[in-house]
Amino acid sequence: GAVVSQHPSWVICKSGTSVKIECRSLDFQATTMFWYRQFPKQSLMLMATSNEGSKATYEQGVEKDKFLINHASLTLSTLTVTSAHPEDSSFYICSASRDSSTQETQYFGPGTRLLVL
Amino acid sequence: AQKITQTQPGMFVQEKEAVTLDCTYDTSDPSYGLFWYKQPSSGEMIFLIYQGSYDQQNATEGRYSLNFQKARKSANLVISASQLGDSAMYFCAMRGNSGGSNYKLTFGKGTLLTVNP
Repeated sequence: GAVVSQHPSWVICKSGTSVKIECRSLDFQATTMFWYRQFPKQSLMLMATSNEGSKATYEQGVEKDKFLINHASLTLSTLTVTSAHPEDSSFYICSASRDSSTQETQYFGPGTRLLVL
Repeated sequence: AQKITQTQPGMFVQEKEAVTLDCTYDTSDPSYGLFWYKQPSSGEMIFLIYQGSYDQQNATEGRYSLNFQKARKSANLVISASQLGDSAMYFCAMRGNSGGSNYKLTFGKGTLLTVNP
C-alpha cells in the first residue's frame, strides 16, 4: 500500500513553454501533498505544501506564479511550471501523507526529470 | 527551526559488513519523528525506517536499525550485512509538530554509500 505515482517521468521542452506534472496517490487519500525540487548531488528542497481544496503554501523564495499547484482531489495534485527556462531544469518529486501525525511518513513518487532547452 | 546534519558526504563499506551513517538533529519541538530514506540512482525516495521522539526502543526494520540517542540528538542508521544493492544516497529527515508547519520534512544533505564487492 501507499503508492504514489508521478507523470511524466521525463519531459523535455522548449524555453517559454509550460509543463504540467501530475502526482497521484494510488491506494490512499492524501490530505497533504508536497512538492520538492532536487538539483544533482543535492538534497531535496521543499517548494510547496498542497492541501486538498485550498491554496498551496509556498516556501520562501519559491515563485507561486511560476510554479502553480492545484490539489483538486484527495488523490491528485499537479505542479505546472509556467514559462519554463533552462534554469528550471531539475528533478521534481512529489510526496503524499495520509495524515498529519508526526509518525506518518511521506510516500514519494518516482520523480520527474525536467529539461528545458 | 529544525535542522538535520549529515557530516559524511560519502561512505564506503565492504559487502557483507555493517556500516553506520551519521545523523544529528536540532529542534525545539517536544514531539518529532525521525526518518531515513534511500535514494538510488533512479531517483525514487524509498522509506527505510522511522523513530519517534518518545519511543523507548530503537527502531529496527530488517537489516536497518536506528541508533537513537535523544540526549545527544543523534539518529544514526546502521545497515547490517551490506549488499551491493545498498549503494545509494541516504537521507536523514525530521518531521516536527510546530504549529503551522504542516508537518514538513526537513532533510539532511545526504550520504552517498558505496558498497564494494
